[in-house]
Amino acid sequence: KAGVTQTPRYLIKTRGQQVTLSCSPISGHRSVSWYQQTPGQGLQFLFEYFSETQRNKGNFPGRFSGRQFSNSRSEMNVSTLELGDSALYLCASSLAGSTNEKLFFGSGTQLSVL
Amino acid sequence: AQSVTQLGSHVSVSEGALVLLRCNYSSSVPPYLFWYVQYPNQGLQLLLKYTTGATLVKGINGFEAEFKKSETSFHLTKPSAHMSDAAEYFCAVTISSGGYNKLIFGAGTRLAVHP
Repeated sequence: KAGVTQTPRYLIKTRGQQVTLSCSPISGHRSVSWYQQTPGQGLQFLFEYFSETQRNKGNFPGRFSGRQFSNSRSEMNVSTLELGDSALYLCASSLAGSTNEKLFFGSGTQLSVL
Repeated sequence: AQSVTQLGSHVSVSEGALVLLRCNYSSSVPPYLFWYVQYPNQGLQLLLKYTTGATLVKGINGFEAEFKKSETSFHLTKPSAHMSDAAEYFCAVTISSGGYNKLIFGAGTRLAVHP
């Protein structure tokens, strides 16, 4: 079974631009979560999608948005990029997203904002 | 509100020595607790989890952790470190938010293993 796939692996953007990151979950998984990882803030929860609906959201500004498609693939969008958005963005999937489930993580997209 | 504290951002051990990574949590309800490992340039991989039942949990790669409710701790141990254990380790607790999965991670502990 293929793992969680995130594309692209690396991305370089400039301030003010917008970016879209993609995540393909493990086949059969319907829950997709996104996390931001930075050296200073560690791992922070962005949002979680299940069956095309956002169920949970972290404390990030509205510039961060996402969506999920009917095949469970998910995209995350960041508009008006700031230098502080430079981070590793990790996507994780699970069967149903319940509290005791194991999350399967992708290798992440490393975003650099110049 | 649930939170996780990992004591020691860096831990260094000799190959063959005991590994002990500390994690304390705060939670108003019985928590679900996890340890994840992150190797360089990779995503996170689950080592082990505690949900209910036996308080000593065995995971992959020889790691285990013990849930101690009285101490609100979930420390990770391995009897004998291997060079391949060098990685960053994250303790995490789930937030009960309508029964859905929202992990809160600790700041992480980077484990170095030297010969």
